[in-house]
Amino acid sequence: DQQVKQNSPSLSVQEGRISILNCDYTNSMFDYFLWYKKYPAEGPTFLISISSIKDKNEDGRFTVFLNKSAKHLSLHIVPSQPGDSAVYFCAAGAYNQGGKLIFGQGTELSVKP
Amino acid sequence: ETGVTQTPRHLVMGMTNKKSLKCEQHLGHNAMYWYKQSAKKPLELMFVYSLEERVENNSVPSRFSPECPNSSHLFLHLHTLQPEDSALYLCASSQLGRAYNEQFFGPGTRLTVL
Repeated sequence: DQQVKQNSPSLSVQEGRISILNCDYTNSMFDYFLWYKKYPAEGPTFLISISSIKDKNEDGRFTVFLNKSAKHLSLHIVPSQPGDSAVYFCAAGAYNQGGKLIFGQGTELSVKP
Repeated sequence: ETGVTQTPRHLVMGMTNKKSLKCEQHLGHNAMYWYKQSAKKPLELMFVYSLEERVENNSVPSRFSPECPNSSHLFLHLHTLQPEDSALYLCASSQLGRAYNEQFFGPGTRLTVL
């Protein structure tokens, strides 16, 4: 059973518009969530995180929203830039699970000029 | 060198070969991880080492054998693999005890088993 799901395998957005990447989870015991970005031939790089006790965290063009009742989080990128084209993974962790992170399957974002 | 490095970047091996993947982290972290990434699938956690002790082994077949000689180095020894083991193998490290367990990844080894 997949605990973290990204149901959209791909997303295409025009440069300058907003990109919204979605992630759903099933385990209400997760304590924090992270977003990673991955370019081809590179490892994932950490982008932004959010604690389960918050509903929003912002860092520049990137904002993550958490809706605990819906077990849903989203990453907003605004304005989107061609350099944002990559695969985005959401991940979830719990403090009582040590270092273990559960990853979604990723969404490939394409930002067109 | 900075961050997390992995060698080799690409590896092609036959099913009867023995090879090893190497990972080194230069971040002073106390935990290291091996992940497998197959196409269109989530990253699958294989092994976790915390302070050089293996604390997680996610039902990985014995043809994969990890080794963590110190907190900076992690190996994955490969023996009699199957074609379905072809994937991107990613190493990561983190500092346990921080608010969020941000893991820092290496570039990965693209493994092809013939």
